Amino acid sequence: AQKVTQAQTEISVVEKEDVTLDCVYETRDTTYYLFWYKQPPSGELVFLIRRNSFDEQNEISGRYSWNFQKSTSSFNFTITASQVVDSAVYFCALSEVGYGGATNKLIFGTGTLLAVQP
Amino acid sequence: DSGVTQTPKHLITATGQRVTLRCSPRSGDLSVYWYQQSLDQGLQFLIQYYNGEERAKGNILERFSAQQFPDLHSELNLSSLELGDSALYFCASSDYRDSEAFFGQGTRLTVV
Repeated sequence: AQKVTQAQTEISVVEKEDVTLDCVYETRDTTYYLFWYKQPPSGELVFLIRRNSFDEQNEISGRYSWNFQKSTSSFNFTITASQVVDSAVYFCALSEVGYGGATNKLIFGTGTLLAVQP
Repeated sequence: DSGVTQTPKHLITATGQRVTLRCSPRSGDLSVYWYQQSLDQGLQFLIQYYNGEERAKGNILERFSAQQFPDLHSELNLSSLELGDSALYFCASSDYRDSEAFFGQGTRLTVV
């Protein structure tokens, strides 16, 4: 069965510290997608990144970077020089690849609450 | 703004009642997904529609049903409501070529 584990329930850092959010997934599919979403206190879910299972290149977007390692079934997310505005719940998710090669449904982890203190 | 619109934003209703949540997907998106976020179950996939047809089903209760209309908006109907149905219900949409699901702001349902 597919599963996403975010073992860190809550992380607290001081502004400007770097922080890594861990994500471990399980799937028997050879083709799949991995995602990160941010849920700020206002409640909406904000898409951050999608990575397909054939692309293990790490990605950097500003202060955000993602490390995908198929060998350890991990897709970790690092925020460099954290800011108070980064405070949110972060969800890692896994999707099946269904009809037409696209996402059918997302399986979410339980989320990591990141609190960045000023 | 994701482009996905959900109404209403908040809903308070009594046990045993029936409610309808509405979702307008992003322009051009054919696929609509419904998710439930509760303290007990976390974020769970409920159901997916593609161009009016049901495409995938998750842990959706029999008391819940959904449909997607010809104009591609979708409705999630929740009936015989129980206290445990209190949750944040999200709608998301995607184009099959993108595989990225963009979420609406959610409808917070409170059953009292």
